[in-house]
Amino acid sequence: NAGVTQTPKFRVLKTGQSMTLLCAQDMNHEYMYWYRQDPGMGLRLIHYSVGEGTTAKGEVPDGYNVSRLKKQNFLLGLESAAPSQTSVYFCASSTRLAQFFGPGTRLTVL
Amino acid sequence: DQQVKQNSPSLSVQEGRISILNCDYTNSMFDYFLWYKKYPAEGPTFLISISSIKDKNEDGRFTVFLNKSAKHLSLHIVPSQPGDSAVYFCAASSGEWGSARQLTFGSGTQLTVLP
Repeated sequence: NAGVTQTPKFRVLKTGQSMTLLCAQDMNHEYMYWYRQDPGMGLRLIHYSVGEGTTAKGEVPDGYNVSRLKKQNFLLGLESAAPSQTSVYFCASSTRLAQFFGPGTRLTVL
Repeated sequence: DQQVKQNSPSLSVQEGRISILNCDYTNSMFDYFLWYKKYPAEGPTFLISISSIKDKNEDGRFTVFLNKSAKHLSLHIVPSQPGDSAVYFCAASSGEWGSARQLTFGSGTQLTVLP
């Protein structure tokens, strides 16, 4: 039981490049989330999904898109990366009682 | 406007002593609260939670206290161990009652337990 996994662990992009972050969970959770964490700040919600085929905006959605084509996977896309998107990205899935996080992806945009 | 505030960015305690981490919130609609622990280069790990119908919840060395009138919660770790050194986030739930579905996080407190 791997829990929540994220791919890749690290990535460096140039401004304007695109990329997709993959999150997978094997706990059969309906709810999945993408957060970003910046120095001195808590986790801020980018987008979330309440089930396969559904997505919704969180607190800081601009510049990101998501897709939930399969229940176990939640993809986060950056179409045209900007230096302001340099951050650590965490994916999570949820039971009613707690959210469970992946190990994170450290993204640097030059 | 930060709805969940952890006003102490860092805290140092001696091994064996009590660690007390504090968290304040402004939204009176929050009704479920959680603490997470985060080591460097890892994701946050769920530690303990409390519902607004309780004022205390214990799990081993960890106890969370909730003071609804003051909109304040705290995490007590007794006794503190060097392995407890980590960043601790408090989180509060809005939306679906008593659920962790929608969380608002504080900015975290770095706890250092000195041997």
